[in-house]
Amino acid sequence: AQSVTQLDSQVPVFEEAPVELRCNYSSSVSVYLFWYVQYPNQGLQLLLKYLSGSTLVKGINGFEAEFNKSQTSFHLRKPSVHISDTAEYFCAVRSVDGADGLTFGKGTHLIIQP
Amino acid sequence: DSGVTQTPKHLITATGQRVTLRCSPRSGDLSVYWYQQSLDQGLQFLIQYYNGEERAKGNILERFSAQQFPDLHSELNLSSLELGDSALYFCASSTSTSQPQHFGDGTRLSIL
Repeated sequence: AQSVTQLDSQVPVFEEAPVELRCNYSSSVSVYLFWYVQYPNQGLQLLLKYLSGSTLVKGINGFEAEFNKSQTSFHLRKPSVHISDTAEYFCAVRSVDGADGLTFGKGTHLIIQP
Repeated sequence: DSGVTQTPKHLITATGQRVTLRCSPRSGDLSVYWYQQSLDQGLQFLIQYYNGEERAKGNILERFSAQQFPDLHSELNLSSLELGDSALYFCASSTSTSQPQHFGDGTRLSIL
């Protein structure tokens, strides 16, 4: 079984400032890692994924994340946020053998202040 | 637009009733997943189907069941509904179990 911890339920940031959303996971098996974004009244949109290879992955909308196996972390970063980035962000994991669905963290609400 | 279609968008019903939620996956995707999103439980995996066969079960109640049809669309059946079943139900699909899942916009179920 896996678990995902998103350390901050809410992160307020000024527009054009950098942001980091933290995610730590626990698993007894190898996992794939994902970040999804949910805008109000919408479904989840895939931001980026780590399946294998380079530990720094780039996603849509200028976001990137770094997989750190020793710290079991997959933090999401953006160098300069925009008001349109206001949304709920979910970190998720899934076992490599695919014998399960995604396990999500509780989400981080990113609030961009003008 | 993710390409995953869920109907209906909203459903209001009463306790004890039964409802069916429908999902059409992205063209070519063989895997379908169902998730429940509620304020107290967050996002929880319910069940996965791959090409018509049940592949994995998560926190799905015995009152809930699902199936995937030959045309690959899927239905989630919820019966003997309780107030606590009020939630957003998402369907997701992927080409295979190793690929990312793409989510529909969800069905909001309200139990009165």
